[in-house]
Amino acid sequence: TQLLEQSPQFLSIQEGENLTVYCNSSSVFSSLQWYRQEPGEGPVLLVTVVTGGEVKKLKRLTFQFGDARKDSSLHITAAQPGDTGLYLCAGASNYQLIWGAGTKLIIKP
Amino acid sequence: SAVISQKPSRDICQRGTSLTIQCQVDSQVTMMFWYRQQPGQSLTLIATANQGSEATYESGFVIDKFPISRPNLTFSTLTVSNMSPEDSSIYLCSVEGVVGYTFGSGTRLTVV
Repeated sequence: TQLLEQSPQFLSIQEGENLTVYCNSSSVFSSLQWYRQEPGEGPVLLVTVVTGGEVKKLKRLTFQFGDARKDSSLHITAAQPGDTGLYLCAGASNYQLIWGAGTKLIIKP
Repeated sequence: SAVISQKPSRDICQRGTSLTIQCQVDSQVTMMFWYRQQPGQSLTLIATANQGSEATYESGFVIDKFPISRPNLTFSTLTVSNMSPEDSSIYLCSVEGVVGYTFGSGTRLTVV
């Protein structure tokens, strides 16, 4: 069974702080997707990383795919209350999508 | 990316009854996916719905409990049958795009 371990599961920090969310696996993925979900809505795709070592930036969010394509990280710089939400990683492998457990992020003003 | 209209957005149902959730996509898609999610937690795939064939169910989910219809390439329904309080959850439909998945806004189901 393929697993994708996501950490931390919960994070509450002050506005302006930096944070990193990790997704790790022993399996290789063809791609790794990051989603953000707000209450009452479905997950919304933030980014997909495909190449080992790839780094993508989305304003204050930086996404990295590990060289071996087994892990990924999401780094948020100078977090803002609008970043509050549930962050989910999902690895694509063998026509399946393996989901991380999610990180509930609260940014306090 | 595709736009999905999912309804109802929420419902409170009596145990023993059934609820049908609908998802309409603004473009034709081969596969539609149905998920269950406890609030604040990750997603669990229920089944994959292909047009013109029976849905494929994941381990722990059966057709009698979660019948799915896929009458055309833009529409699907999931029915939660003979509901019990344990079925209280958020149900989401999803389609695959070029670089990722698009989700409906979800149906928050409470069974009392």
